[in-house]
Amino acid sequence: GAGVSQSPRYKVAKRGQDVALRCDPISGHVSLFWYQQALGQGPEFLTYFQNEAQLDKSGLPSDRFFAERPEGSVSTLKIQRTQQEDSAVYLCASSLGLAGPTVDTQYFGPGTRLTVL
Amino acid sequence: RKEVEQDPGPFNVPEGATVAFNCTYSNSASQSFFWYRQDCRKEPKLLMSVYSSGNEDGRFTAQLNRASQYISLLIRDSKLSDSATYLCVVRTSGTYKYIFGTGTRLKVLA
Repeated sequence: GAGVSQSPRYKVAKRGQDVALRCDPISGHVSLFWYQQALGQGPEFLTYFQNEAQLDKSGLPSDRFFAERPEGSVSTLKIQRTQQEDSAVYLCASSLGLAGPTVDTQYFGPGTRLTVL
Repeated sequence: RKEVEQDPGPFNVPEGATVAFNCTYSNSASQSFFWYRQDCRKEPKLLMSVYSSGNEDGRFTAQLNRASQYISLLIRDSKLSDSATYLCVVRTSGTYKYIFGTGTRLKVLA
C-alpha cells in the first residue's frame, strides 16, 4: 500500500518568503508527527497531531512555524518569513494508533528539503 | 547535556565483524525506546523496539539498562548493506514527544 508522501520534495525559498509543506499520512493513521532534520543531526520533534487535534507543539522553534491537520488526514506545515536557519529536511511521520501510552511504529515520509537563500 | 546522546562515529568495520553501539538518555522517566536506521538522504525506518528484557531480531540484538540509562544495539556478522546511520529514539512517559539522538554512522567494509 501507499506510504507517507510529502510534497514538494525540494523547495528553494528566498529569505522572507512563506512556504507550505504538505504531508499525506498513511490512510487511517491517527497520529501524525513533524520533525526538522539538520545536516548531520537526528530528527528534532516539532509537533504532534492526534486526528485533527494538535496535542503537542512544543518543538516549533518560533511563532513563524504553524502546522494544521484540519480533517485529521493531510497536514500542512507553514513557515512564515523564512530565515536561512530554517534550511533543513522536514520529515513527516504517521502511526496507526495513539502515541503516548502505546508503543507504536512511526512511518516516515521522504521529507521536504528546504533551502533558504 | 542532550537528552539522548550517541557516539557519532563513524564506525568502520570489516564484513563479518560484530559491532555494538550505545546510547545514553538523561530522563529517568523515559518509557519507550527504539532503534531506527537511516540511509543517506533517505527517511528513518524502524529497526527494532527495545524492551526491558532485551530482544533479538536475526543478527540484531537490543538491550535496555534502566539503572544506567542506556540502550545498546549489537550487530553480528555485519553485511555491506548494514552501512547506514543508526538513530536511538526515546519517548518519555506522559508525552507524545519522541527524542532522537544524532545517530551513529556505520560503514561496513569489504
